[in-house]
Amino acid sequence: KAGVTQTPRYLIKTRGQQVTLSCSPISGHRSVSWYQQTPGQGLQFLFEYFSETQRNKGNFPGRFSGRQFSNSRSEMNVSTLELGDSALYLCASSSGDSSGNTIYFGEGSWLTVV
Amino acid sequence: AQSVTQLGSHVSVSEGALVLLRCNYSSSVPPYLFWYVQYPNQGLQLLLKYTSAATLVKGINGFEAEFKKSETSFHLTKPSAHMSDAAEYFCAVTGAGSYQLTFGKGTKLSVIP
Repeated sequence: KAGVTQTPRYLIKTRGQQVTLSCSPISGHRSVSWYQQTPGQGLQFLFEYFSETQRNKGNFPGRFSGRQFSNSRSEMNVSTLELGDSALYLCASSSGDSSGNTIYFGEGSWLTVV
Repeated sequence: AQSVTQLGSHVSVSEGALVLLRCNYSSSVPPYLFWYVQYPNQGLQLLLKYTSAATLVKGINGFEAEFKKSETSFHLTKPSAHMSDAAEYFCAVTGAGSYQLTFGKGTKLSVIP
């Protein structure tokens, strides 16, 4: 069974640009969530989608947005990039029907903003 | 609301020694607790999880954790450290009705040969 797949793995962007990251969840999983990992702030929750609806949102500015498609694949977008957006962005998937479901993570997308 | 405190940002053990990584949680609802491991330049791999079925949870690679409600703790242990255990370990909590994980700051484990 394939795991959570994230693309691209590495990317470099310039301040002010925007970026889109993609995530394919484990087959059959309907919940996709996104986390940002930085050395200073650690792992922080961005948002979670279930069956194309945003169910939870973390405390991030509106420049961070996401969506989920009917096949459960998800994208997150960051507009007007700032240097502080440099981070590892992790996507996670679960079946989403219970809070105790196992949550599986992808390898992450490394974003560097210069 | 949930929170996690991991005591010790860096722990060093000798190969073959006991590994003990500490995690204390706070939750206003019955918690679900997880331990994840992260190797350099990789994502998070689930080691084990607690969902109220049993207080002693066995995971992969010889790790286990015990849920102690009275102490609000979920410490991770392994009887004998191996060089391949060197990584960063994260404790995380969620609760009924929540679908987001709240992570601790992580503990970096070094194994000395």
